[in-house]
Amino acid sequence: GAGVSQSPRYKVAKRGQDVALRCDPISGHVSLFWYQQALGQGPEFLTYFQNEAQLDKSGLPSDRFFAERPEGSVSTLKIQRTQQEDSAVYLCASSLAGQGRNEKLFFGSGTQLSVL
Amino acid sequence: GDSVTQMEGPVTLSEEAFLTINCTYTATGYPSLFWYVQYPGEGLQLLLKATKADDKGSNKGFEATYRKETTSFHLEKGSVQVSDSAVYFCALSGLGMRFGAGTRLTVKP
Repeated sequence: GAGVSQSPRYKVAKRGQDVALRCDPISGHVSLFWYQQALGQGPEFLTYFQNEAQLDKSGLPSDRFFAERPEGSVSTLKIQRTQQEDSAVYLCASSLAGQGRNEKLFFGSGTQLSVL
Repeated sequence: GDSVTQMEGPVTLSEEAFLTINCTYTATGYPSLFWYVQYPGEGLQLLLKATKADDKGSNKGFEATYRKETTSFHLEKGSVQVSDSAVYFCALSGLGMRFGAGTRLTVKP
């Protein structure tokens, strides 16, 4: 597609429920990032993929968060046993080159997750 | 660790006013610096960047100069328009881009 696509756009979950958020990056983009953006805050780095390899997952807040990109294109961020503090907008971004350094990031519109 | 601090908002200006949004950074090494913008209902998009000290990034009338001596990358525009209303994020490079908290700008006609 023309841009980074994320789905669903909105997700409401009951506390304790598992959720899966999807990101479709720009075709051919090597790097893929997940960010968490709380209300009124800037995006916080969660994890980074170069093709199918997850090179950095240091930003994942707990072992309830898991991300994958098995074929080096579409990525899924999974949150198990959701908690209220997980409520945020989850942003996906991609860039053409590897490592992501000095590269222009293309962002999706995000998935707004609300945990009740 | 590496981080950026930007001025808190919100900022409200009249059309054609001068804009400054302050950004300072803390980093080891020599990061590249960025300003991203998020217009209402849209995803973040790159506004401008600078890759080394004394570089000036510019786009759409906005500019920012990479000042190593003051560890700053302030965003400026000489005459803002209503269409510039958005949230502006300062960021620095790394394996995962590090963003500031964002500054909401509202420009009134």
